[in-house]
Amino acid sequence: AQSVTQLGSHVSVSEGALVLLRCNYSSSVPPYLFWYVQYPNQGLQLLLKYTSAATLVKGINGFEAEFKKSETSFHLTKPSAHMSDAAEYFCAVRASGGSYIPTFGRGTSLIVHP
Amino acid sequence: GAGVSQSPRYKVAKRGQDVALRCDPISGHVSLFWYQQALGQGPEFLTYFQNEAQLDKSGLPSDRFFAERPEGSVSTLKIQRTQQEDSAVYLCASSKTGRALHGYTFGSGTRLTVV
Repeated sequence: AQSVTQLGSHVSVSEGALVLLRCNYSSSVPPYLFWYVQYPNQGLQLLLKYTSAATLVKGINGFEAEFKKSETSFHLTKPSAHMSDAAEYFCAVRASGGSYIPTFGRGTSLIVHP
Repeated sequence: GAGVSQSPRYKVAKRGQDVALRCDPISGHVSLFWYQQALGQGPEFLTYFQNEAQLDKSGLPSDRFFAERPEGSVSTLKIQRTQQEDSAVYLCASSKTGRALHGYTFGSGTRLTVV
């Protein structure tokens, strides 16, 4: 069984400030982890993924995430927020073997203030 | 095609009406997933195909929901006798292989409103 918890349904930051979106996972086997971004009225776009290689993963648009097995976390960060980063962000987990079906979190809405 | 294409983009159905939602995955992608996304929620798994085989349909909420992918490419999600609780965005995703090490590519979704 696998699940994802995203802490905070809304995160508000000022333009230029650090972005931190939290994701904790539960998985009975080594996980693969993903972060997706969804802009209004659009589908989900892959930001980055962890598939058991380097624990610090760099993605598109300046985002990165670190896999911490001891904390069962995969938090998403960006050093400096842009207005264009305002969107909904989803963390997802799936097992590295067996079922290849990803399970998504409930999402975190990132609000960026000028 | 270059991406996953879903049609129609928007669908308004009267309660009790049957609807069919179409997904055109990226050409050659083996795996295809359907998700349901209620307003303000994350995507919830409905069903999964590998080629034409439906390997998992455990997420389909009732027997009113039916999905098929007869030739291993285009997929259709059918909802019979629609209810108001079926109102949601239906997302389709595909991946090149079953293991999906490169992630999943999503379509823009079909927003279904049942009135």
